[in-house]
Amino acid sequence: GESVGLHLPTLSVQEGDNSIINCAYSNSASDYFIWYKQESGKGPQFIIDIRSNMDKRQGQRVTVLLNKTVKHLSLQIAATQPGDSAVYFCAEKLERDDKIIFGKGTRLHILP
Amino acid sequence: GAVVSQHPSRVICKSGTSVKIECRSLDFQATTMFWYRQFPKQSLMLMATSNEGSKATYEQGVEKDKFLINHASLTLSTLTVTSAHPEDSSFYICSARDHSGLYNEQFFGPGTRLTVL
Repeated sequence: GESVGLHLPTLSVQEGDNSIINCAYSNSASDYFIWYKQESGKGPQFIIDIRSNMDKRQGQRVTVLLNKTVKHLSLQIAATQPGDSAVYFCAEKLERDDKIIFGKGTRLHILP
Repeated sequence: GAVVSQHPSRVICKSGTSVKIECRSLDFQATTMFWYRQFPKQSLMLMATSNEGSKATYEQGVEKDKFLINHASLTLSTLTVTSAHPEDSSFYICSARDHSGLYNEQFFGPGTRLTVL
């Protein structure tokens, strides 16, 4: 289940189950979106991206869904593994702009 | 993929001293680099955009005289935290944009943990 702590919400998922991490983005003009994974004490690691002319994109074990109407992004991780434990951030940018703006983040906790 | 390094990975300093953090793109040229700050259990906040050969562009609320950025070459940007105070303790992360890449991707460094005593 999901709980909201002081800063980062946590999603607890049983190993082997699918995880769905949600994100609301802020700028309706954003046209490029990225999901990052950040392990403790490390920099963000690119997972998958999607442009605003798409509503779904699949990678290896991951799928990103984009709903521009409600400014919502989700990351689905299939068959969650212990190595998926991390904080996941959605990020948005304008393709003509260089700046990547990060969302709040969700901690994914894998239950054995 | 392209690699971005940061040095040092950790630094502890006394209040009032200055600390320099380096960000290097190891196998590509980066005309644009970015500096982020991340407090515990929070997201990455963009501090400034560093452009090679020109002045950095700072985000609103970031003091340019306190966080000095120099981007003297296509592979190196430095962030100097001047007169550091305990509230500057944070995780500083840089990213570099590979303009030659197909998708103009940004690659992130591993971060530098700054602790000010």
